[in-house]
Amino acid sequence: GNSVTQMEGPVTLSEEAFLTINCTYTATGYPSLFWYVQYPGEGLQLLLKATKADDKGSNKGFEATYRKETTSFHLEKGSVQVSDSAVYFCAPPNGSGNTGKLIFGQGTTLQVKP
Amino acid sequence: DAGVIQSPRHEVTEMGQEVTLRCKPISGHNSLFWYRQTMMRGLELLIYFNNNVPIDDSGMPEDRFSAKMPNASFSTLKIQPSEPRDSAVYFCASSLWGSGNTIYFGEGSWLTVV
Repeated sequence: GNSVTQMEGPVTLSEEAFLTINCTYTATGYPSLFWYVQYPGEGLQLLLKATKADDKGSNKGFEATYRKETTSFHLEKGSVQVSDSAVYFCAPPNGSGNTGKLIFGQGTTLQVKP
Repeated sequence: DAGVIQSPRHEVTEMGQEVTLRCKPISGHNSLFWYRQTMMRGLELLIYFNNNVPIDDSGMPEDRFSAKMPNASFSTLKIQPSEPRDSAVYFCASSLWGSGNTIYFGEGSWLTVV
């Protein structure tokens, strides 16, 4: 079945530092890929997505490019803020077909210090 | 627009008691998911429905867990009898059926079984 590998956290950065959270996956075909974010005490919410190979998803200064040749979808942000402190989940589809189910890994905790 | 609504937000119950968690999906969505989140196991998909029909319940941990969706706007997840190891955050999520569609999460129900 499909799987996702995400870099382990926690990742601790100073404000305005550059962020990269690596994500690689295995999947059948070229499915849509997602990054979700979970702020403390809240549910997951969509951060960005890319629906086909070579697409770049972006939102709130975060970006991720769907690279089919390396089966990666790394999350980047040029200058993080304290308010970006959260848990980030890379989520490819769970299985083949058109169900819309997603795999969520353990997530990567980001801590941004002022 | 209202998002996915879950109740209760927090529940503390004694071992052996029945627990019922409730969910109202986003209007118009035809897929509904129940997830469980713990530190040890991360985010696990318990069951999902399409058009009110359970499609895959392979993630339900054991017979003590059951889920129903009597109509398009309501679902329940029941644990009977509850055990301390069931303590977790339970998320309900909904989406439109199909690959590439965003899954929207509720705020979660924080369950503690003592």
